Amino acid sequence: GAGVSQSPSNKVTEKGKDVELRCDPISGHTALYWYRQRLGQGLEFLIYFQGNSAPDKSGLPSDRFSAERTGESVSTLTIQRTQQEDSAVYLCASSSLRTSLDFGPGTRLLVL
Amino acid sequence: GNSVTQMEGPVTLSEEAFLTINCTYTATGYPSLFWYVQYPGEGLQLLLKATKADDKGSNKGFEATYRKETTSFHLEKGSVQVSDSAVYFCALSDNSNSGYALNFGKGTSLLVTP
Repeated sequence: GAGVSQSPSNKVTEKGKDVELRCDPISGHTALYWYRQRLGQGLEFLIYFQGNSAPDKSGLPSDRFSAERTGESVSTLTIQRTQQEDSAVYLCASSSLRTSLDFGPGTRLLVL
Repeated sequence: GNSVTQMEGPVTLSEEAFLTINCTYTATGYPSLFWYVQYPGEGLQLLLKATKADDKGSNKGFEATYRKETTSFHLEKGSVQVSDSAVYFCALSDNSNSGYALNFGKGTSLLVTP
């Protein structure tokens, strides 16, 4: 079946611009996660959605970062006033309750 | 806080060589431990996992044993193939409020040459 998809696959933007990254989870997966992978670093947890519960935003690095999810479907990660240090691969993952995560291919963001 | 430390790469091996990628962790409680693999151009995939001490996870010839006494989860394979070339990530889940949120290591790149 279809896996987790993300768009765009690559994004180049200028410092100060806003960007939106999209994630389409696997159908039926109630949990959705966003991670960030900076060059040479491990994955950093950003935010977690579970069903209709309030999201866990504990990993968001600043108030320039926000994310939304409509029900148990698509999620959008928004970065406002992008900075060069935001350059990274942004990974989305989804899962059923207490199963391992299925990752998308990521969006590679470059802030010039 | 929770953290994972894994050996830095890149690791270059000849086909059929023995592979070990070290991973140690720091965590409170009783985390679950994972190895994920990222093949070139693909997303991360779960390779294997172990949910309690002394459990051994295995898949595709890879193995890792959850060692609580040494807080380790080293990945091993007896005979690597060229197709095993990928980046390997060790991870743990503390099963906290963040569902199954994972703490990842920095990844170890493996290159297997014919």
